[in-house]
Amino acid sequence: NAGVTQTPKFRILKIGQSMTLQCTQDMNHNYMYWYRQDPGMGLKLIYYSVGAGITDKGEVPNGYNVSRSTTEDFPLRLELAAPSQTSVYFCASSYRGWNEQFFGPGTRLTVL
Amino acid sequence: KNEVEQSPQNLTAQEGEFITINCSYSVGISALHWLQQHPGGGIVSLFMLSSGKKKHGRLIATINIQEKHSSLHITASHPRDSAVYICAALNYGGSQGNLIFGKGTKLSVKP
Repeated sequence: NAGVTQTPKFRILKIGQSMTLQCTQDMNHNYMYWYRQDPGMGLKLIYYSVGAGITDKGEVPNGYNVSRSTTEDFPLRLELAAPSQTSVYFCASSYRGWNEQFFGPGTRLTVL
Repeated sequence: KNEVEQSPQNLTAQEGEFITINCSYSVGISALHWLQQHPGGGIVSLFMLSSGKKKHGRLIATINIQEKHSSLHITASHPRDSAVYICAALNYGGSQGNLIFGKGTKLSVKP
């Protein structure tokens, strides 16, 4: 099993550009999560999903959108990139809600 | 005031020492997570607990719900334990939930 995979690993965006961060898991987990980690700060929950077709906002959802059309995939969309979105983004999944989470390797995003 | 606070922020230990990392939270919680972030950035879930104590190898996690406090202990520490240790308070009801993370404790174990 590959576990949780994220692409790309690194990306530099210009202000106003859009992009999608990809996240895929092969463990048949129902719950998936997106977090961001800013330097010196704790992780913050952006969005989460309890199953295909169901998503909900976390603590910091503004500027992001998600979809969950399949159990495996949970992409995160940035529509109009801003410097405040410079961060490391982690995707995670869990079999049961809010239990042990398996994290992807992260995507380091810089918005200039 | 942060809702989840960890202490110390940084910790340096000699190999073999007993390590304690503390986590205090001010919110009502359903459970508490401990995670480990490796120097390369990867994150691994260590424990989720809602009461009492859990043990896995040389790691022990305890929680006191009344005092809103949790501790992570590492016995016989080793340089490979060097990492950032993060606690996160879980608050959920029904299908709504949120994890509130501490800023982490950076542990360095010297040989």
